[in-house]
Amino acid sequence: GNSVTQMEGPVTLSEEAFLTINCTYTATGYPSLFWYVQYPGEGLQLLLKATKADDKGSNKGFEATYRKETTSFHLEKGSVQVSDSAVYFCALSAYSGAGSYQLTFGKGTKLSVIP
Amino acid sequence: DAGVTQSPTHLIKTRGQQVTLRCSPKSGHDTVSWYQQALGQGPQFIFQYYEEEERQRGNFPDRFSGHQFPNYSSELNVNALLLGDSALYLCASSGTGYRDNEQFFGPGTRLTVL
Repeated sequence: GNSVTQMEGPVTLSEEAFLTINCTYTATGYPSLFWYVQYPGEGLQLLLKATKADDKGSNKGFEATYRKETTSFHLEKGSVQVSDSAVYFCALSAYSGAGSYQLTFGKGTKLSVIP
Repeated sequence: DAGVTQSPTHLIKTRGQQVTLRCSPKSGHDTVSWYQQALGQGPQFIFQYYEEEERQRGNFPDRFSGHQFPNYSSELNVNALLLGDSALYLCASSGTGYRDNEQFFGPGTRLTVL
């Protein structure tokens, strides 16, 4: 079956530090890849996505590149801010039959940014 | 344009009771998926509804059931609640015809089972 593995947290960084959160996946076919962010007490917000190999998703200074050869989709940001403190989820969307696409999530990585 | 809405926001039940959670999809979307997110975990797929039918189901017992109405809104029902059913329940909507089938999430319903 499909699965997503992401680095365990929590991750604590100082403001303006460089962020990397590793994510690897296992899937049949050609999944789309996503990063979602969850702020305390809230639902999930889509941060960025990539739908095919070598695509780079980007949003709000975050980037991730779909690497088919290494089955990875690592999240990066050059300079984090306190407001980036949240839980980040890597996910894949794959066709699961009967016209249905199903999201499979990693366990999440909690990021805390300190001033 | 309203996004995905869910009700109620919070709910407290006791073991053995039954609960119904509600979801209204984003305008223009016809597919609704439900996820369970236990504390400190990633969301787990429960099932997906399309054209008022359950189209796909994850690894959840029959105590979890759902319904989709002609206006595409959906309900999640859980019978015989267990302590382990305490979680954030997320609804996501999407539209057909898109390869990546991007799903838009609601704010969730926090269920506590005592």
